[in-house]
Amino acid sequence: GIQVEQSPPDLILQEGANSTLRCNFSDSVNNLQWFHQNPWGQLINLFYIPSGTKQNGRLSATTVATERYSLLYISSSQTTDSGVYFCAGSLQGAQKLVFGQGTRLTINP
Amino acid sequence: ETGVTQSPTHLIKTRGQQVTLRCSSQSGHNTVSWYQQALGQGPQFIFQYYREEENGRGNFPPRFSGLQFPNYSSELNVNALELDDSALYLCASSQRQGGNTIYFGEGSWLTVV
Repeated sequence: GIQVEQSPPDLILQEGANSTLRCNFSDSVNNLQWFHQNPWGQLINLFYIPSGTKQNGRLSATTVATERYSLLYISSSQTTDSGVYFCAGSLQGAQKLVFGQGTRLTINP
Repeated sequence: ETGVTQSPTHLIKTRGQQVTLRCSSQSGHNTVSWYQQALGQGPQFIFQYYREEENGRGNFPPRFSGLQFPNYSSELNVNALELDDSALYLCASSQRQGGNTIYFGEGSWLTVV
């Protein structure tokens, strides 16, 4: 099966800072998605981004499928951005999403 | 608000007991997947249901079973609970198999004592 590596595992920033989270895949994946998990456990889908670049407010994501990685950018961080960010993807034809171990982001006021 | 609802939100069971978790998928979604998330880990795929049929399974023993109903809601059943089954159980729905955005419910926190 595919391996998903996320970096960094932990990130502590001050409010207003920018950050870049990275996700590397061991194989070509479909359905690449980024999620934010809040302290109560809810996983919120941020981007469905099998390739290219998307932006949504202060968040943007870029996937370079040929090089098997994806980046999530968070600009002007707010304390509500705190939580764990996961990337996930699946092999073509497979039903399951394989998740990374996550990046725990803490934004201090 | 993802439109995916799960129940119960929290429950405590004794080792050896059985548990049923429920999930209502987002309107128009015919595919439901279940994931187990242990503390500090990423979610792990349990299985997926598409049009009431199991359609893909992860590395979980047969005591993990499920159902999908004609309205696309779903149940996850776990028999002979073990302490290691303590985890957050997440239900996710999507419009079709693969190739689409997946939406998660808030999860069911299961503690086995």
